[in-house]
Amino acid sequence: KNEVEQSPQNLTAQEGEFITINCSYSVGISALHWLQQHPGGGIVSLFMLSSGKKKHGRLIATINIQEKHSSLHITASHPRDSAVYICAVSWGNQFYFGTGTSLTVIP
Amino acid sequence: DGGITQSPKYLFRKEGQNVTLSCEQNLNHDAMYWYRQDPGQGLRLIYYSQIVNDFQKGDIAEGYSVSREKKESFPLTVTSAQKNPTAFYLCASTQRGGETQYFGPGTRLLVL
Repeated sequence: KNEVEQSPQNLTAQEGEFITINCSYSVGISALHWLQQHPGGGIVSLFMLSSGKKKHGRLIATINIQEKHSSLHITASHPRDSAVYICAVSWGNQFYFGTGTSLTVIP
Repeated sequence: DGGITQSPKYLFRKEGQNVTLSCEQNLNHDAMYWYRQDPGQGLRLIYYSQIVNDFQKGDIAEGYSVSREKKESFPLTVTSAQKNPTAFYLCASTQRGGETQYFGPGTRLLVL
């Protein structure tokens, strides 16, 4: 079973392009999370959201609770955005993770 | 600075050997987690603890053991019963009732 599905699995973009990563989930949730994992392996939390939209710099995250779908957008992409982006959902203290989207931004 | 530390960064295990991975946090978080990450797969939960002296098995607990004697510390032992231990191990914590997870830098375990 896979409660969280991400697409695409891999994504290559030219610097400056607008990027969208999608996440669908099949379980009830209290929150959805977008995480970033750099090549060294460390993971940082980008967003936690339960409704609507959040923005931080060039990153925008949206969620549609009825459709059980979320998107992560990166505007004006830059090579330093190259990383694996992971979608996760939570219910209380339980977390379920997608397999990640590997993004490469070419100068 | 508050955060989560894991050590060592790389760990080598010989056949039949138990090894222990360290995880320490100074965020005063109640809940701590151990995840395993394999290529092409999402993070999978090994064990979690919501309070000192209490922990629960996750989806892939076989071959692993944990302890939670102190709030700050949640070490993971990979026992000889774990037949495929090569993976990247991540420790995380979250405030009880809060839902943003903070991750350590990870430990990469390799079998010799």
